Amino acid sequence: AQKVTQAQTEISVVEKEDVTLDCVYETRDTTYYLFWYKQPPSGELVFLIRRNSFDEQNEISGRYSWNFQKSTSSFNFTITASQVVDSAVYFCALSGQGAQKLVFGQGTRLTINP
Amino acid sequence: DSGVTQTPKHLITATGQRVTLRCSPRSGDLSVYWYQQSLDQGLQFLIQYYNGEERAKGNILERFSAQQFPDLHSELNLSSLELGDSALYFCASSVDRGADITDTQYFGPGTRLTVL
Repeated sequence: AQKVTQAQTEISVVEKEDVTLDCVYETRDTTYYLFWYKQPPSGELVFLIRRNSFDEQNEISGRYSWNFQKSTSSFNFTITASQVVDSAVYFCALSGQGAQKLVFGQGTRLTINP
Repeated sequence: DSGVTQTPKHLITATGQRVTLRCSPRSGDLSVYWYQQSLDQGLQFLIQYYNGEERAKGNILERFSAQQFPDLHSELNLSSLELGDSALYFCASSVDRGADITDTQYFGPGTRLTVL
């Protein structure tokens, strides 16, 4: 069975601080995919990143970066120099081998205070 | 804008009623997925259709059903509604290049269902 754990329910920081959102996953599959989605207050789910299990390179996109470590089954997300517009609920998700469905974590509510 | 459209945005109905949620996938996407987001269950996969055929089922109640039409739009039918069915229902779509690849799923804006 697939499982995603986002242990941080809520995080609150002051603008311009760096913040890391943790994601730990469980799967027995050798091939799998990991995702991050953002859900702003307006409610839609916005795709941020997709990573397959064979690509452990860290990725940076502007102020966003992702650290994938198979050894610890983690796929953490860091926002550098946070901004108020980053306030949202962030979801980590997993898809296993041969399955397209996403298994989501419970989400982390991030609040960036001015 | 993800390119996935869902109607209606909001739906308020009474217990015991039946409703239909509609989804149009992104142009070129063959797979449509339905997810339910509720406070107690979080985001849960309900069902997937690929090019008109059911491909995968999650924790979808028997009172719920879905279909995908030849033009690839999909409908989720919820019947005998209960208070606990109140949730945000998302539709997502993906290209779906094959069983061994999980393509990115792009989500619609959701339909917020309130059962009174």
